[in-house]
Amino acid sequence: DAMVIQNPRYQVTQFGKPVTLSCSQTLNHNVMYWYQQKSSQAPKLLFHYYDKDFNNEADTPDNFQSRRPNTSFCFLDIRSPGLGDAAMYLCATSRPDKATQPQHFGDGTRLSIL
Amino acid sequence: AQSVTQPDIHITVSEGASLELRCNYSYGATPYLFWYVQSPGQGLQLLLKYFSGDTLVQGIKGFEAEFKRSQSSFNLRKPSVHWSDAAEYFCAVGPSNDYKLSFGAGTTVTVRA
Repeated sequence: DAMVIQNPRYQVTQFGKPVTLSCSQTLNHNVMYWYQQKSSQAPKLLFHYYDKDFNNEADTPDNFQSRRPNTSFCFLDIRSPGLGDAAMYLCATSRPDKATQPQHFGDGTRLSIL
Repeated sequence: AQSVTQPDIHITVSEGASLELRCNYSYGATPYLFWYVQSPGQGLQLLLKYFSGDTLVQGIKGFEAEFKRSQSSFNLRKPSVHWSDAAEYFCAVGPSNDYKLSFGAGTTVTVRA
């Protein structure tokens, strides 16, 4: 089945130690999104790629970066994680050329900061 | 700008009883509306979507939703809930010429035996 896969499912890192989360998709979708979701809250969009074009949300901290080396993969880099960055990180994809298509989500990576 | 309100933070329902989750949106044109469900520790799964046409839409897992333009609502219903329906439910709206979603704050559904 075509899908969105996030690795790892659980990630533990130390305060201030860089960490990278990965997302891959077999849907061949143009757009890939990264969301941050804290407990009992809605997902918050951090940024997205439309093909190779990067679009950052205005309130996304500089500590968060992203890379998309090809259509299938997208990475979230947290340069110096703080305790407040502990959250679930969700990757999603969509095809905006078909406006009726919804976003497809991965199962997320739960990030813990020691 | 579009926005979504889910008035109920938490709903408890007995297994076998009916369920209705409320969603109100604010958007100038005809919105694209979605309901997603999130089980603990999982990603979001699409239940159903509305773009146009029949205002009563059927989704997966026995869910349906009704679009009411006059009330700016898109409420989700299920006639008889199962214990496995215990989860977080998110309503989302996306305008037709953009590809970003605005999520509601979510409603947590607890199912009691």
